[in-house]
Amino acid sequence: QVQLVQSGAEVRNPGASVKISCKTSGYTLTNYYMHWVRQTPGQRLEWMGIMNPNADSTSSSQKFQGRLAMTWDVSTSTVYMELSSLTSDDTAVYFCARGMWNQRFSAFDSWGQGTPVAVSS
Amino acid sequence: QSVLTQPPSVSGAPGQRVTISCTGSSSNLGASYDVHWYQQLPGAAPKLLIYANTNRPSGVPDRFSGSKSGTSASLAIIGLQAEDEADYYCQSYDRDLSSSVFGGGTKVTVL
Repeated sequence: QVQLVQSGAEVRNPGASVKISCKTSGYTLTNYYMHWVRQTPGQRLEWMGIMNPNADSTSSSQKFQGRLAMTWDVSTSTVYMELSSLTSDDTAVYFCARGMWNQRFSAFDSWGQGTPVAVSS
Repeated sequence: QSVLTQPPSVSGAPGQRVTISCTGSSSNLGASYDVHWYQQLPGAAPKLLIYANTNRPSGVPDRFSGSKSGTSASLAIIGLQAEDEADYYCQSYDRDLSSSVFGGGTKVTVL
């Protein structure tokens, strides 16, 4: 079955970067888009960006453009999300989520377990 | 403030029917983009409950149903059960933002 397993909780100082991994199994990485979504302490869900491992392309929400990088390693079926210039507003739980179909407006049919990130001095 | 608007909470007794509304605008639900629904239990990741307005993934009980009309959508839980106590989120796509968007979430309480 499809599984997405994310890396563990992180604590960072303001201005630092954080890189989260999401190891996939049960399907071929290049056959599906992957999205990143975060959940704020107030429980609000925010879409961050999308990656197409088959076409070597990524796209970020305007809110994160310039400080969000999404990469992948096909050999290990792992995707990565790196967010830079962190502020306290980036304190959240970060999820990778597989697109059900390969369109920007897809539903998300499998989710990682979430990675808590705390940004504090 | 979320692009899609949901009521913060709804409640009902076991066996009752509850509905959760999701209101958007002409740039998302009104632009014919589908709505999807997720259930989030405490401490867990969201789980896909309804996709493309009315469709249930395999394994989702048929007491959950979805509908969409114009700039609004609804999730109905018919025959509420204790295990349905959770947060529920709607999701769609906004063409002006070029982004997936979510509702603020609705907490369902079983009385």
